[in-house]
Amino acid sequence: DQQVKQNSPSLSVQEGRISILNCDYTNSMFDYFLWYKKYPAEGPTFLISISSIKDKNEDGRFTVFLNKSAKHLSLHIVPSQPGDSAVYFCAASATNTGNQFYFGTGTSLTVIP
Amino acid sequence: ETGVTQTPRHLVMGMTNKKSLKCEQHLGHNAMYWYKQSAKKPLELMFVYNFKEQTENNSVPSRFSPECPNSSHLFLHLHTLQPEDSALYLCASSQAGLEQETQYFGPGTRLLVL
Repeated sequence: DQQVKQNSPSLSVQEGRISILNCDYTNSMFDYFLWYKKYPAEGPTFLISISSIKDKNEDGRFTVFLNKSAKHLSLHIVPSQPGDSAVYFCAASATNTGNQFYFGTGTSLTVIP
Repeated sequence: ETGVTQTPRHLVMGMTNKKSLKCEQHLGHNAMYWYKQSAKKPLELMFVYNFKEQTENNSVPSRFSPECPNSSHLFLHLHTLQPEDSALYLCASSQAGLEQETQYFGPGTRLLVL
């Protein structure tokens, strides 16, 4: 049973516009959420995270929003740049599961120049 | 070298071969992980080592055998693999025990089993 879901396998956005990537989870015990970015032939690189005590975390062009009641998080990239084209994975963990992370299947973002 | 490195980057092996994947982390972390990534599937956690001790083994077939000689090195020994084991194998490390722990990944080994 997949506990973290990314229902959109792909997304295309015009350069300069906002990219919104979505992630849903089922386990209410999750209290820490992360986004990773992956280019072809490379491993995932950490992008941004959020703790369940917050509903928003911002880092430059990247903002993550957490809606605990809906068990939903989203990553906003604004403005989108061609170099943002990659696969984005969301991940979640719960304090009581130690260092076990649960990953989504990823969303492939294409930013069109 | 910085971060997490993995060798080899690509590997082709027959079903009767024995090979090993190597991972090294230069971040001073105390936990290391092996993940499998297959197409269209989420990353699957295979093994976790905390302070060199294996703490997770997520029902991985015995044809995969991990080894963690110290907190900086992690191996995955492969023998008599099946074609369905072809995937990207990712190593990660983290500083376990932190309230908000982040895992850092290596570039992966792309494995093809013929």
